[in-house]
Amino acid sequence: AQSVTQLDSQVPVFEEAPVELRCNYSSSVSVYLFWYVQYPNQGLQLLLKYLSGSTLVKGINGFEAEFNKSQTSFHLRKPSVHISDTAEYFCAVSPQDSSYKLIFGSGTRLLVRP
Amino acid sequence: SQTIHQWPATLVQPVGSPLSLECTVEGTSNPNLYWYRQAAGRGLQLLFYSVGIGQISSEVPQNLSASRPQDRQFILSSKKLLLSDSGFYLCAWGDDLNSPLHFGNGTRLTVT
Repeated sequence: AQSVTQLDSQVPVFEEAPVELRCNYSSSVSVYLFWYVQYPNQGLQLLLKYLSGSTLVKGINGFEAEFNKSQTSFHLRKPSVHISDTAEYFCAVSPQDSSYKLIFGSGTRLLVRP
Repeated sequence: SQTIHQWPATLVQPVGSPLSLECTVEGTSNPNLYWYRQAAGRGLQLLFYSVGIGQISSEVPQNLSASRPQDRQFILSSKKLLLSDSGFYLCAWGDDLNSPLHFGNGTRLTVT
């Protein structure tokens, strides 16, 4: 079975500061990794994904994430955040031996202050 | 292009009443379809997924059921709602192993 841990339920940060949202996973098989963003009362939008290849993945809105297999982590980063980045961020994994299940973490609320 | 429609956007229902939430996908064939629930302050829980018409897999035993009467239609139902059924319900579709899921805008259900 797979599990995803997002230790930080909320991350407050000032505008234009860098941010890192942490994600760790557990799985007995290889996984695909994703980050989604959810704005209030909306569905989820894909930020980026790691399937294979380079461990540094770039996504939309200036976000990037780095896959670290030895630490089973997939932390999300942005060098300079904007007020509009305020949202809930979800890390998710999908086992490569099962095409149908996407397991989500509990989410991290990013709160950007002026 | 593919689109996903989910309705209603909000719903307030009394305890013991029935439920029917509908989700349809356009612009793709034979998608994998999913129902997730997001409880207040918590992450997303996979409730059901379907890989084809009439094929439903349940992830969590509960008061809800799902059906897929057509290729691009996915319905979430309940015969009698409980207070604990309140939450934000999200429908999603996906193609295959490598593709991410595409989510609808969700239905906020409040059971009173």
